[in-house]
Amino acid sequence: EAGVTQFPSHSVIEKGQTVTLRCDPISGHDNLYWYRRVMGKEIKFLLHFVKESKQDESGMPNNRFLAERTGGTYSTLKVQPAELEDSGVYFCASSRIQGGVGEQYFGPGTRLTVT
Amino acid sequence: AQKVTQAQTEISVVEKEDVTLDCVYETRDTTYYLFWYKQPPSGELVFLIRRNSFDEQNEISGRYSWNFQKSTSSFNFTITASQVVDSAVYFCALGWGLIYNQGGKLIFGQGTELSVKP
Repeated sequence: EAGVTQFPSHSVIEKGQTVTLRCDPISGHDNLYWYRRVMGKEIKFLLHFVKESKQDESGMPNNRFLAERTGGTYSTLKVQPAELEDSGVYFCASSRIQGGVGEQYFGPGTRLTVT
Repeated sequence: AQKVTQAQTEISVVEKEDVTLDCVYETRDTTYYLFWYKQPPSGELVFLIRRNSFDEQNEISGRYSWNFQKSTSSFNFTITASQVVDSAVYFCALGWGLIYNQGGKLIFGQGTELSVKP
């Protein structure tokens, strides 16, 4: 089975521009998560979808970040307008519906550089 | 509040040495889950293990073993006879929630960078 895929693998944009990151979860995984790692720091949770619904968006830093998951399949994370502090690696993960906290399988990440 | 601490930022060993990566967690929940992930130089996060708070039995998988001790809130990871391919950043993570809840976010430690030299 194919793993979690993310596109693009690397994006370099200028401050003030808009960037959209895409995540395709493992087929059949209803849980989809976004995480971010800023250089040298820990990986931090951004938000969690169950199918197309936002289950938890407590980690979203501000309203410049907008996540969608139309149809409960792939998800996009848009940053508009991007700021320098948004630079980092954005990971997407997915897991099956099950009790408790299941195994989350991560994608390779998108490295975002804001100059 | 939930927290994961990996006090070792970097570890360097010579091939064939055993190495233990420490992980200490904090949570008030009685139902929680602990994870280890490996991030090789290629960048992806590779799932290694998931344990729930009701299962303190240690686990061994090949050269990897995990020691879960609730009394000390620790979930340490040992690599026996390390190899150069084990060089990576290793993350410990904590998730929590009732058994019938769906999903649940993970809280990560800062990671331990392991370098295995030939």
